[in-house]
Amino acid sequence: DAGVIQSPRHEVTEMGQEVTLRCKPISGHNSLFWYRQTMMRGLELLIYFNNNVPIDDSGMPEDRFSAKMPNASFSTLKIQPSEPRDSAVYFCASCTGGNIQYFGAGTRLSVL
Amino acid sequence: LAKTTQPISMDSYEGQEVNITCSHNNIATNDYITWYQQFPSQGPRFIIQGYKTKVTNEVASLFIPADRKSSTLSLPRVSLSDTAVYYCLVGDGNQGGKLIFGQGTELSVKP
Repeated sequence: DAGVIQSPRHEVTEMGQEVTLRCKPISGHNSLFWYRQTMMRGLELLIYFNNNVPIDDSGMPEDRFSAKMPNASFSTLKIQPSEPRDSAVYFCASCTGGNIQYFGAGTRLSVL
Repeated sequence: LAKTTQPISMDSYEGQEVNITCSHNNIATNDYITWYQQFPSQGPRFIIQGYKTKVTNEVASLFIPADRKSSTLSLPRVSLSDTAVYYCLVGDGNQGGKLIFGQGTELSVKP
């Protein structure tokens, strides 16, 4: 298996632009998680899905952030409009329902 | 979700055994204890998971006392490549795998 695949690996954008991060979970995994990691705040859970349904989005910082999972093999995290404080590494992870999560390589986002 | 407390950093030398202890006083009956490893510029990677007593795999051992209020990750004979951040988490698999990461322990292995 190729593992959790995230794209792009790096994204540089200007403040105010829309940013879309993509994630392909491991086939057969029914839970998907989006995290954000910064030096100041560490690794934060933003939102997670079970069977494509958002279960807990309490970690989403504000309305500028949205996440979708249209099917079992694809999810997006969108930031609109982006701000410099959104600069971070965004990770996607998936699991089969227990709590052993498998993480992607992450997307490093820089908002100028 | 139970909160965990672990040392912020540890230093070691190659070939030594490293033990990282994590406190989780409010662990619930259904919670499992899971450890992850994170290298710079990579996502966290699962190392080991346990519920009670001792678990061992090819990478590490996990010791859990009877009261389960703490756990110790043991890395035998560390090498420079074990330099990483190690996270201890507790969580109930019935919650769909939701985990809360703390600050982790930054392990530095020196030659």
